Amino acid sequence: DAKTTQPNSMESNEEEPVHLPCNHSTISGTDYIHWYRQLPSQGPEYVIHGLTSNVNNKMASLAIAEDRKSSTLILHRATLRDAAVYYCILRVSMDSSYKLIFGSGTRLLVRP
Amino acid sequence: GAGVSQSPSNKVTEKGKDVELRCDPISGHTALYWYRQSLGQGLEFLIYFQGNSAPDKSGLPSDRFSAERTGGSVSTLTIQRTQQEDSAVYLCASSSGQPYRSPLHFGNGTRLTVT
Repeated sequence: DAKTTQPNSMESNEEEPVHLPCNHSTISGTDYIHWYRQLPSQGPEYVIHGLTSNVNNKMASLAIAEDRKSSTLILHRATLRDAAVYYCILRVSMDSSYKLIFGSGTRLLVRP
Repeated sequence: GAGVSQSPSNKVTEKGKDVELRCDPISGHTALYWYRQSLGQGLEFLIYFQGNSAPDKSGLPSDRFSAERTGGSVSTLTIQRTQQEDSAVYLCASSSGQPYRSPLHFGNGTRLTVT
């Protein structure tokens, strides 16, 4: 599976926007970019995914660079509940893509 | 609707004993996954079931680990002759549709402690 690179940790203030970066320089044209997050003592939770265009949903926005070698997960107003480990994952569009390969993710700390 | 349910939520067992962990996926989801997460570590893929196809067991760490999925729904992960290094949170997930697009829905896991 193609690899992703994320910062180990980031900090944010409550009610401020958060931009979580992810580098995936070896991405292929048909690889989907997925984001999950894991709150303490819970299983991972799906956040958002995209292919080429920017995506928005109730939880977050996903901004994908034009060359697709990087992407940014945007939390528009961080809350204390958003403190979690955020994982950026590439899913290859072929039969073997069912395995999500989790890296170490970015631990987000939200300050009140 | 109901999410992925795992039981028990916690299990403490003595080294050498067998354990069974259960997963109830979301109704109608054809794909089911088992992962484990050791303390402070990332998720490690164990096994994958898709419909009636043969499961992908490539992530199982040893032959002490096995899993089955009955009737395309409930799954049981069995660990025989448990060792202390088996201590971890075991997570189950299910999904529907195309695997590279459909999100995985995770349960909250079973925390296994081998003493």
